[in-house]
Amino acid sequence: GAVVSQHPSRVICKSGTSVKIECRSLDFQATTMFWYRQFPKQSLMLMATSNEGSKATYEQGVEKDKFLINHASLTLSTLTVTSAHPEDSSFYICSATGGSGYTFGSGTRLTVV
Amino acid sequence: GQNIDQPTEMTATEGAIVQINCTYQTSGFNGLFWYQQHAGEAPTFLSYNVLDGLEEKGRFSSFLSRSKGYSYLLLKELQMKDSASYLCAVRDPQRGGSYIPTFGRGTSLIVHP
Repeated sequence: GAVVSQHPSRVICKSGTSVKIECRSLDFQATTMFWYRQFPKQSLMLMATSNEGSKATYEQGVEKDKFLINHASLTLSTLTVTSAHPEDSSFYICSATGGSGYTFGSGTRLTVV
Repeated sequence: GQNIDQPTEMTATEGAIVQINCTYQTSGFNGLFWYQQHAGEAPTFLSYNVLDGLEEKGRFSSFLSRSKGYSYLLLKELQMKDSASYLCAVRDPQRGGSYIPTFGRGTSLIVHP
């Protein structure tokens, strides 16, 4: 079946630094990739939708200059959290349309100290 | 707008049957998904309903009534490993052009021996 590979699975960074999260679709082309953030015991909150070769569409309230999304190829989308702060600590998950419904990456646990 | 309601938490006994309900109010409708999510992991696909009725897949079944904006996930012969969060998600074609799914808050199911 369709697989989305997400890296890193865990990352700890210092406040003020930037972190890049990668999602790759394996064995299928992901024209559209969704990026979610999930706080403990909360639902998946859509941050942005990225389309290959064009600018991402951000949800209301999500700072596009802080959460940079690049979808340069049909198999790779990246999310860069710039100037990270402790409140950015969360579980970030990508998903792509592929296989049955939406295929999710394994998630990235970001901790900003 | 979109509104998806699920119970926050449910408990059940190993070997029993449990039904997790989901009600939704969305601008449009193009399918309802159920996902299972274990703590700290990404969601995994369980079922997809777009027409009214019951879809059975092994121990799991999902039901949809579009006129009532209602779905349920039925889990039979519960096992301890079924302890997880179950997410209901509705795809709304009127929410952007990418058929973005909106997720409910999730129902935390605890299975007791």
